[in-house]
Amino acid sequence: RKEVEQDPGPFNVPEGATVAFNCTYSNSASQSFFWYRQDCRKEPKLLMSVYSSGNEDGRFTAQLNRASQYISLLIRDSKLSDSATYLCVVRSGGADGLTFGKGTHLIIQP
Amino acid sequence: GAGVSQSPSNKVTEKGKDVELRCDPISGHTALYWYRQSLGQGLEFLIYFQGNSAPDKSGLPSDRFSAERTGGSVSTLTIQRTQQEDSAVYLCASSQIILFGELFFGEGSRLTVL
Repeated sequence: RKEVEQDPGPFNVPEGATVAFNCTYSNSASQSFFWYRQDCRKEPKLLMSVYSSGNEDGRFTAQLNRASQYISLLIRDSKLSDSATYLCVVRSGGADGLTFGKGTHLIIQP
Repeated sequence: GAGVSQSPSNKVTEKGKDVELRCDPISGHTALYWYRQSLGQGLEFLIYFQGNSAPDKSGLPSDRFSAERTGGSVSTLTIQRTQQEDSAVYLCASSQIILFGELFFGEGSRLTVL
């Protein structure tokens, strides 16, 4: 089983809709969780950290389910500019212990 | 600029040649990471530096790959005797705090081995 798994998509979603996708991780000792965003042919950038109690940043909500070992990202009122690849990132200890998922490709359609 | 700077942005080389990729991290960031991203693939961890030392080099794909960091700042990733499978985007990132910090990525060096 891969350490961090994501549905690659693409998710084709109409503008204004709500979209959610999950990421599963295999290491139960994982400590920190993040969502990064990567635009086409650009570098990844931190979107938000994921806290145990769940957290919200504007239209974006991230949640962590330790029992089932997954994190989720929900985007409300999607915008065309939300089109990107969303990378799930898990830190499992050790200074180099960041593992990136392969990403979920999201396309917001007008 | 204030971000992570990488050079060259694009490099085309012939199989068997050596290449050197450079990363200039954000000033004051003690941790520096190298990743590789092939087309349609996720980020593959290569190596990280805490200051000038690299505690874990196990992510380097083969002994043709090496990296160094001097003065706690600039890092170079060297690939000797390049192979076609080395073609990828090589991304450098830095963070202020090695275990908990946000990673700031450079725009990457796109390497094409003919």
